[in-house]
Amino acid sequence: DTEVTQTPKHLVMGMTNKKSLKCEQHMGHRAMYWYKQKAKKPPELMFVYSYEKLSINESVPSRFSPECPNSSLLNLHLHALQPEDSALYLCASSPAGVGNQPQHFGDGTRLSIL
Amino acid sequence: GENVEQHPSTLSVQEGDSAVIKCTYSDSASNYFPWYKQELGKGPQLIIDIRSNVGEKKDQRIAVTLNKTAKHFSLHITETQPEDSAVYFCAADTGTASKLTFGTGTRLQVTL
Repeated sequence: DTEVTQTPKHLVMGMTNKKSLKCEQHMGHRAMYWYKQKAKKPPELMFVYSYEKLSINESVPSRFSPECPNSSLLNLHLHALQPEDSALYLCASSPAGVGNQPQHFGDGTRLSIL
Repeated sequence: GENVEQHPSTLSVQEGDSAVIKCTYSDSASNYFPWYKQELGKGPQLIIDIRSNVGEKKDQRIAVTLNKTAKHFSLHITETQPEDSAVYFCAADTGTASKLTFGTGTRLQVTL
């Protein structure tokens, strides 16, 4: 079982809906990440939080809004998504806010936009 | 930025045989190289990693080798089993910004 927990596992939403993806880890990690993965492709980095502060935004459209309420939780708020946003959204965490640390992934939320 | 190439894209081996997946990277500043296994419906699972001050690392049936001069690293799986069937991703990290650059993935199938 993964130590990074993501909810929900599946989400279907319309283009006008607002929803949130949630991620939780209890490993004491201080860096957390959101990735997007399309079928048969590698994960693509979206956001990095280091010590609860946003440190990297990979030019992600504003319809995706991340939030890190505390060191254990990471949210991704979704609004007015497009069909091409359908994908597997993965959360990961690592021990510290700098590189060279192993990232541990959750099992993702499979998002479908109608 | 960093670019990671991974080969082959698909690999089929018989149970008990060895499997080798190769990756090359472009940025000489990269110094951390993890390998992930992703099973259907799951997230990537870290299976082994290597840092640039080490040439080889082994964990039971899995080993990784690194050639810094040639900028390539490889995953070796010995005595393959059906449960090794999955997609494997290599990645590289320069260590400056918590950013992993992934290879394109290798679908490994272990047949009986």
